[in-house]
Amino acid sequence: QKEVEQNSGPLSVPEGAIASLNCTYSDRVSQSFFWYRQYSGKSPELIMSIYSNGDKEDGRFTAQLNKASQYVSLLIRDSQPSDSATYLCAVCGDSGGSNYKLTFGKGTLLTVNP
Amino acid sequence: NAGVTQTPKFQVLKTGQSMTLQCAQDMNHNSMYWYRQDPGMGLRLIYYSASEGTTDKGEVPNGYNVSRLNKREFSLRLESAAPSQTSVYFCASARGALYEQYFGPGTRLTVT
Repeated sequence: QKEVEQNSGPLSVPEGAIASLNCTYSDRVSQSFFWYRQYSGKSPELIMSIYSNGDKEDGRFTAQLNKASQYVSLLIRDSQPSDSATYLCAVCGDSGGSNYKLTFGKGTLLTVNP
Repeated sequence: NAGVTQTPKFQVLKTGQSMTLQCAQDMNHNSMYWYRQDPGMGLRLIYYSASEGTTDKGEVPNGYNVSRLNKREFSLRLESAAPSQTSVYFCASARGALYEQYFGPGTRLTVT
């Protein structure tokens, strides 16, 4: 059973700081990695996808992937109160050949304090 | 583009009643998914359809059936609802395997 682990938080950062969210996964053959943001009572919203080792930047967001360490992270620069949400890490592709199934972590609650 | 739409938004059922949750996407995506989200359990895959004409079980399929009506629509049926099926249900779609999945707004279901 593939596992995706995240710290549940809450992670609290001051406005303008960098928020760092981490995720580890158990299946070494996983191929695609995603970060979703979910506001309370709303659906998950895709904010980043990453497929190869290294960094990928999009605006204030940077995703980092290290397949050797089975680790993926999300950095949010210049954090804003509107970034306060639960961040879900999701991993796709496993040794069972299931390239359609996303496995989600349970999420990290981020609070950005004004 | 509306993206992924779901109906209804809210539903209350009595134990033993049946209902169908509807999902449609207008992104010309090939694969579609049904998830449930429960506190402390995260998002769990119920069923998915890799392409029109195919469906497969996910992590928690018991008590549910699905129909991929056409490329746009994917429905989830509860034949005999149970309190354990109280949850928030999300539909999602993707271009295909390993691609990003996009979620609908969800259906909040309560079974009493």
